[in-house]
Amino acid sequence: EDQVTQSPEALRLQEGESSSLNCSYTVSGLRGLFWYRQDPGKGPEFLFTLYSAGEEKEKERLKATLTKKESFLHITAPKPEDSATYLCAVGTDKLIFGTGTRLQVFP
Amino acid sequence: NAGVMQNPRHLVRRRGQEARLRCSPMKGHSHVYWYRQLPEEGLKFMVYLQKENIIDESGMPKERFSAEFPKEGPSILRIQQVVRGDSAAYFCASSPDHSGTGELFFGEGSRLTVL
Repeated sequence: EDQVTQSPEALRLQEGESSSLNCSYTVSGLRGLFWYRQDPGKGPEFLFTLYSAGEEKEKERLKATLTKKESFLHITAPKPEDSATYLCAVGTDKLIFGTGTRLQVFP
Repeated sequence: NAGVMQNPRHLVRRRGQEARLRCSPMKGHSHVYWYRQLPEEGLKFMVYLQKENIIDESGMPKERFSAEFPKEGPSILRIQQVVRGDSAAYFCASSPDHSGTGELFFGEGSRLTVL
């Protein structure tokens, strides 16, 4: 059965303090690994798709990387507006989501 | 270009009543997905539909839940005889195709509270 595990569950950072979020997965036949951002009371918003080990994608202060067993979302010099829950998902014919990492960035 | 529209945003029902949640996908999107999110839990896949067809309902409870996506009009998630455990946020997402890119466009969700 496909599984996605995210850690940590919650992360508190000072503005400018870089860190990484982890997503480990077990899936038969990875078709892609996806990162989403979810703000309170909102629906998830797509960030990245990664298809193969070694692939990297960047967007502003975020960089996603992928290995054969896990993905990292690196946040460089975060700002308070980066505060959100970050969701990882794997896709076959439907997306299986992890429970997310709730990130809080304080000024 | 309007995004995915869900209504109602908030719905309160008493145990035993019916709940109907509606989802209009983005213009040009013919694939609709419904997910449920319980407090402190991740998004759980429920059902995947194309126009007039249910493609995958492996995440739908066998009883009381049904979904449709008619040729005209929004997709409907229907929950009959609601129970307290049905209280959750229900999210609809759409995509233009099923290419497996993983880029789903989500609505803002419908929050169901069962008293």
